[in-house]
Amino acid sequence: QVQLVQSGAVLKRPGSSVKVSCEASGDTFMKYAISWVRQAPGQGLEWMGGIVPIYESENYARRFQGRVTITADRSTNTAYMILNNLKSGDTAVYYCSSGFYFGGRGTLVTVSS
Amino acid sequence: EIVLTQSPATLSLSPGGRATLSCRASQSVNTYLAWYQQKPGQAPRLLIYDAFNRATGIPDRFSASGSGTDFTLTISSLEPEDSAVYYCQQRNDWPHAWTFGQGTKVEIK
Repeated sequence: QVQLVQSGAVLKRPGSSVKVSCEASGDTFMKYAISWVRQAPGQGLEWMGGIVPIYESENYARRFQGRVTITADRSTNTAYMILNNLKSGDTAVYYCSSGFYFGGRGTLVTVSS
Repeated sequence: EIVLTQSPATLSLSPGGRATLSCRASQSVNTYLAWYQQKPGQAPRLLIYDAFNRATGIPDRFSASGSGTDFTLTISSLEPEDSAVYYCQQRNDWPHAWTFGQGTKVEIK
């Protein structure tokens, strides 16, 4: 089973951007889709998008298209999620997953002025 | 995008009982459906993949069935540790969007 390590919690201002990283151990990084899923406080899981590193094939949920970019650095087994034009409603825990498996406790992104 | 509707929203059951959770898709997802368990403060944990396959280490009290648009997760011999929110997720046809259901909260009292 792959191990995923995400970057730490951040506080961002409205209108700014956030970049969250997800480093994968093991040799499965290339093979499986890396997804980004977020969970606002007290809410359910929301799939944002993903990438299959070996094909560099991206896939985004409609509501995030144009505002999120997901990339994968094959040299470091690290995936990134960049979310632009942050709003208070983007305050959430952001998880990455490789295949079906989620990493750790996620990354808390707080958007506040 | 495919919409997943889970029911009921909440289940309150007793230890030793059986929970039956439903997940309905707005269009066919074949068998590309997974079930996750999430406890407070924790990441989701995979229970079932491809509609009916138990993930590694998941006890056989958890079983699932379905295909197309209707899916069921059954938890038998409920234990207090099964209290959690359960989500279904469809992974049909990349690069089309994957989606989650809104979750079913299971309370064991």
